[in-house]
Amino acid sequence: GDSVTQMEGPVTLSEEAFLTINCTYTATGYPSLFWYVQYPGEGLQLLLKATKADDKGSNKGFEATYRKETTSFHLEKGSVQVSDSAVYFCALILQGGSEKLVFGKGTKLTVNP
Amino acid sequence: NAGVTQTPKFRILKIGQSMTLQCTQDMNHNYMYWYRQDPGMGLKLIYYSVGAGITDKGEVPNGYNVSRSTTEDFPLRLELAAPSQTSVYFCASSIPGGGTEAFFGQGTRLTVV
Repeated sequence: GDSVTQMEGPVTLSEEAFLTINCTYTATGYPSLFWYVQYPGEGLQLLLKATKADDKGSNKGFEATYRKETTSFHLEKGSVQVSDSAVYFCALILQGGSEKLVFGKGTKLTVNP
Repeated sequence: NAGVTQTPKFRILKIGQSMTLQCTQDMNHNYMYWYRQDPGMGLKLIYYSVGAGITDKGEVPNGYNVSRSTTEDFPLRLELAAPSQTSVYFCASSIPGGGTEAFFGQGTRLTVV
């Protein structure tokens, strides 16, 4: 079946550090890929997305590139801020498929001043 | 726009009681989803719907029921609540296409005692 695997957390960084959260996927068809973010006490909101191979999604200084050859969609940010502390979820949905949005387990990021 | 609205925000149930978690969206989205999020875990799909009158099971449907009589509403019914159903429940909606964003409600925190 379709699945998403994220690096284990939690991740703790100092402000202005470089962030990478790894995400790999298994899909029975051609997926669209997403990163969602969940701030404490809130629902999930879309951070960025990519719908075809080699596309780069970006938002708020975060980036992720759709790598079909390695089935990956790693999230990166060059300089994190305290306000980036949240849980980050990688997700996929098959294009033209079941329309089920499949999530990874989430990675909790804490950024210290 | 209200987006996706879930009620109630919090609820405590006794074992064996029943309740309905309400979810409504005002974006005319065809697709709606119910997820549960257990502490430190990712989101698991309970049920989803691709349109009024059509529902399908997700990963963890046991102990739950859904209905979709209108485009706007997608209630989740818990029959005979059990402690294992203690979780945070999220409703989400999206439009068809595979590359579109899902919008989430704020969640319902349910405790079964």
